[in-house]
Amino acid sequence: RKEVEQDPGPFNVPEGATVAFNCTYSNSASQSFFWYRQDCRKEPKLLMSVYSSGNEDGRFTAQLNRASQYISLLIRDSKLSDSATYLCAVNLNTGGFKTIFGAGTRLFVKA
Amino acid sequence: EAQVTQNPRYLITVTGKKLTVTCSQNMNHEYMSWYRQDPGLGLRQIYYSMNVEVTDKGDVPEGYKVSRKEKRNFPLILESPSPNQTSLYFCASSQPTSGRFTGELFFGEGSRLTVL
Repeated sequence: RKEVEQDPGPFNVPEGATVAFNCTYSNSASQSFFWYRQDCRKEPKLLMSVYSSGNEDGRFTAQLNRASQYISLLIRDSKLSDSATYLCAVNLNTGGFKTIFGAGTRLFVKA
Repeated sequence: EAQVTQNPRYLITVTGKKLTVTCSQNMNHEYMSWYRQDPGLGLRQIYYSMNVEVTDKGDVPEGYKVSRKEKRNFPLILESPSPNQTSLYFCASSQPTSGRFTGELFFGEGSRLTVL
């Protein structure tokens, strides 16, 4: 079983739709959580951190469920420019510092 | 401008010919890391460095070496490249806040390596 798992998609949605992604992690010692966005053949960029209390940034909402070991990302009012791959990332502080990424969920937003 | 710079961005080489991918960051970050990204497998950590002269293996270190002689530089060395090292490579850096790593990674633009 992979340490961090995501549905690879693709998710094909019309503009204005609401779409949600989930990401599950297996290590209960995971300490911090993130969503990154990656455009085709480009570097990942941090979209938002995920806090226990949940957090919102404009049209994006991230939530963490420690009991069920998953994080989620909700995108409201999807724009064409939201088309990208969304990577979830989990940090383990185990003496070293390890960030484990999911394989990503591909989103296509269509006009 | 704060950035992580990798070179070369694209490279085609042959099996066994040693190569180095350089990575430099200008943010004075303590933490640096190398990842490779392959279709369906996502980003996998190769090596990381918590600070100068401190390096450690990630999940897929076989066939790679790194060094951290200066804070800003973290080169990735392929002593004898093989075709299974054909991949997209990313260098990343991060900085602890209040003694803890927050985990936000800043990535370079990537280096696409093909080994024939």
